[in-house]
Amino acid sequence: TQLLEQSPQFLSIQEGENLTVYCNSSSVFSSLQWYRQEPGEGPVLLVTVVTGGEVKKLKRLTFQFGDARKDSSLHITAAQPGDTGLYLCAATQAGAGSYQLTFGKGTKLSVIP
Amino acid sequence: GAVVSQHPSRVICKSGTSVKIECRSLDFQATTMFWYRQFPKQSLMLMATSNEGSKATYEQGVEKDKFLINHASLTLSTLTVTSAHPEDSSFYICSARDAGAGDTQYFGPGTRLTVL
Repeated sequence: TQLLEQSPQFLSIQEGENLTVYCNSSSVFSSLQWYRQEPGEGPVLLVTVVTGGEVKKLKRLTFQFGDARKDSSLHITAAQPGDTGLYLCAATQAGAGSYQLTFGKGTKLSVIP
Repeated sequence: GAVVSQHPSRVICKSGTSVKIECRSLDFQATTMFWYRQFPKQSLMLMATSNEGSKATYEQGVEKDKFLINHASLTLSTLTVTSAHPEDSSFYICSARDAGAGDTQYFGPGTRLTVL
């Protein structure tokens, strides 16, 4: 079973600051997703990246997929209290023939007003 | 994005009873759905893969006789927790794979099960 290492596990920052969350593995992924989950709710898909080197932007969120498709990052600019939540990266392994997602342990982000 | 619903959102039951949780894809057909379990402050743990028209595939350590999965149609999968005990209390989340959207998985809102 592939491991997806996500860091940091916890992050508490002031409103207006920038932050980056990392997701790394030794395995190659066919695709990688970033989700955001609030307490008592299911994960909500933020973005899917499939091409090595791909960069996607979603308002103040920037997602990058590594050239080798083994790692990804999520960067938030000028964080706001509404960004508070659990951020999860998840990936499907390349060539596995399975659609199963492997999840990172998550990053719990708190943005303090 | 695609919508996946779960019912019920919360259930409290007595020890020894069985509880059925439904997962529906509302605007797409899903040949594959997944069931996850999430403990407080932890990430999602895959329990099983539900395949339409065939038997579910369970992850190691998940008892198939305790967690019965039925995927009778392309829009519905059910998870039945049989003879529930307090240690089965958890947050259960399903997801559905949308083959028409690059195999993206969309998640339901989850079901909070509390076994007394």
